[in-house]
Formats: sequence, C-alpha cells, structure tokens
Amino acid sequence: DTAVSQTPKYLVTQMGNDKSIKCEQNLGHDTMYWYKQDSKKFLKIMFSYNNKELIINETVPNRFSPKSPDKAHLNLHINSLELGDSAVYFCASSHPGNPAHYGYTFGSGTRLTVV
Amino acid sequence: AQSVTQLGSHVSVSEGALVLLRCNYSSSVPPYLFWYVQYPNQGLQLLLKYTSAATLVKGINGFEAEFKKSETSFHLTKPSAHMSDAAEYFCAVSVGGANNLFFGTGTRLTVIP
Repeated sequence: DTAVSQTPKYLVTQMGNDKSIKCEQNLGHDTMYWYKQDSKKFLKIMFSYNNKELIINETVPNRFSPKSPDKAHLNLHINSLELGDSAVYFCASSHPGNPAHYGYTFGSGTRLTVV
Repeated sequence: AQSVTQLGSHVSVSEGALVLLRCNYSSSVPPYLFWYVQYPNQGLQLLLKYTSAATLVKGINGFEAEFKKSETSFHLTKPSAHMSDAAEYFCAVSVGGANNLFFGTGTRLTVIP
C-alpha cells in the first residue's frame, strides 16, 4: 500500500480554471504538507497542517487553499489558475511529536501544467 | 532563521568512484538535518537523518553523512558510485522537530560508466 498517495499524477488545464489535487496518507501521521517544486527543482513549502493548526507560507497566493476533511487527507484547491502555477506539487506527511519519525514521507507528486 | 546551502548544482563521478555531495547549514539552534533523493519523475525519498544522536549517520543504499558542528556541515558520501545512484539529492534542515523542512537547491548526481 502506498504510504502517501496523490491524485492525479498529471494535470493539464487552461488558465482561469479551478482544480483540486488530492492527497491521502495511511501512516497515521498527524501533520501534512504541500510543497511546490519549480522547473529548477527548488522546493518551497506552501502549507503545513494538523488537526489543530494551519500554517500558511505568506508568499502563497490566496488562490491556493488547503482543505482537510480528516486527519488522513489534505487536498489542495487552486482557483483561477495562472501560467506560473505550472509546477510539480508534492504532498508529504510527518509525525513531529516522535523523533523516531522525524523527516517527511512524500507522495510521488502531481505535475500541473497550465496552458 | 535556518537554511541550507548545497555547493555544486551538478556533480559527475565515474562508476565506482567516491561520491561527495556538500551541504552546509545555518541555524541559531541545534538543527535536525536530512538528505533526500529524488529519482526522475518520482517523489522524494529519505536517505538519512541527523537528530542529535550519533554524528555519523548511515542511510540507505550505502550512503552516509557526518554532522560537523564546527564546520556547520552535513556532507553526504558513498564510497563507490553505482549507476543507479544517478538522481537529484536534497539537503534539508528543520529546527525543533520535523515541522517545516527547508530544502537546499539540490545537487544533480551523474554517474559516468
């Protein structure tokens, strides 16, 4: 079973559309994250979320919003997509309270292309 | 604020040669340090981590890294490169646990037959 799974793996859409990327983890972790990887492979945190707190990177446009129906899911919704949103988006999870589990488990990524 | 710097965006080694990927960190408090590997079109996989226990950390696939506080470094090494090691490698730092890892800009490792 995949520990952190994202869907879809590829997403091609037109400018101005609204889209969602889904993420699910079956590790029992209590914190989930969204990262954006640009064309130069740079990884930038967008959000971290547990059932108590959402931390938003202040540089993330408010067109991006995380939605968590439960502890095992953190979806990413994007409104009014722009060309610059094209990137690979990674979901990750961790269990910060337990040092033995320090370090993220990543999903395989969603390659978003806005045309 | 914490950050990591990876020296060399591209490193090429011959198959069987030593692999050395450099990472220096900046942190005002004791850091937690990580190395991740990303194979083409895949997610990131944890290679190894330093969480204030032993300074020499052994990871998967024969990789290891040594935490050197005096040099603020956490370089990744492997004695003998294999073709399957070709990938992108990321150093990352966090403070106070696993929340909010800050990644370096990555080093692409090429292994020459």
